[in-house]
Amino acid sequence: EPEVTQTPSHQVTQMGQEVILRCVPISNHLYFYWYRQILGQKVEFLVSFYNNEISEKSEIFDDQFSVERPDGSNFTLKIRSTKLEDSAMYFCASGGGARTGSLNLAKNIQYFGPGTRLSVT
Amino acid sequence: GEDVEQSLFLSVREGDSSVINCTYTDSSSTYLYWYKQEPGAGLQLLTYIFSNMDMKQDQRLTVLLNKKDKHLSLRIADTQTGDSAIYFCAESAGRRALTFGSGTRLQVQP
Repeated sequence: EPEVTQTPSHQVTQMGQEVILRCVPISNHLYFYWYRQILGQKVEFLVSFYNNEISEKSEIFDDQFSVERPDGSNFTLKIRSTKLEDSAMYFCASGGGARTGSLNLAKNIQYFGPGTRLSVT
Repeated sequence: GEDVEQSLFLSVREGDSSVINCTYTDSSSTYLYWYKQEPGAGLQLLTYIFSNMDMKQDQRLTVLLNKKDKHLSLRIADTQTGDSAIYFCAESAGRRALTFGSGTRLQVQP
C-alpha cells in the first residue's frame, strides 16, 4: 500500500537556526499539506499546496515558514529562524489523487506521514 | 471558524464496545474522518465517511453520522487492548484543510 514518508524522524536544532523538513507524498496525489501537533495538543493545519502554489494557509504559517516542491517527488517545509515554540511534531499529508489501478485511494482523502519531531533548544 | 469537539477520555473493559463521540460546527463539511494515534506515533487513518452517508461499517468499526445535529460517532466492537490510543475526529470540505478535534484517549482495561 502506498504511503507518505517523512525525513528525518527527529530533528534537534538550536533556536534561530533554519530547518528543512522533507516529505515524499503518495505518487499521483496532487494536493499536499503540512500540519503540526504541539505535545499534548490538537493537530493544527499549517498550509496546503497545489499546482506549485500555496492554496490555503493558517495564521500559524507566517513569514518564517515556506514550502516548496523542488522536484517531482519531494515536498518540503522550511522554518527560517526557529523559535522554542516551533517544537512540535510536523505531519505531511497528501491527497486528491484519482483512482489508479488496484489502488483504493478515495479522491480528496488526506493520508498522513509518520511525522517529524522537531525539538528546538 | 470551524470547530470540532470531543470528550477527552474514555475507559472500557476488553471485549466491550467503545463509542467515541464528536460534534462539529461546519455545515459545509463533506468528509468526516477518524484517525488513531498511538503514543509517539503518527496519524493512522481509521475510516472516513462522506457527509451524504448516515453510516459506514468496516469490520469492527461503525461510523454514524447525524448531519442535522452535526454529530459523528465511532463505535469499536469487541475492544482490544491494542485499541488503546488517542482517537481524533476531523472534518474537511472537499480538499480543504482538516480541522481536528482535541482527541479522545481510549483506555482499554484487561
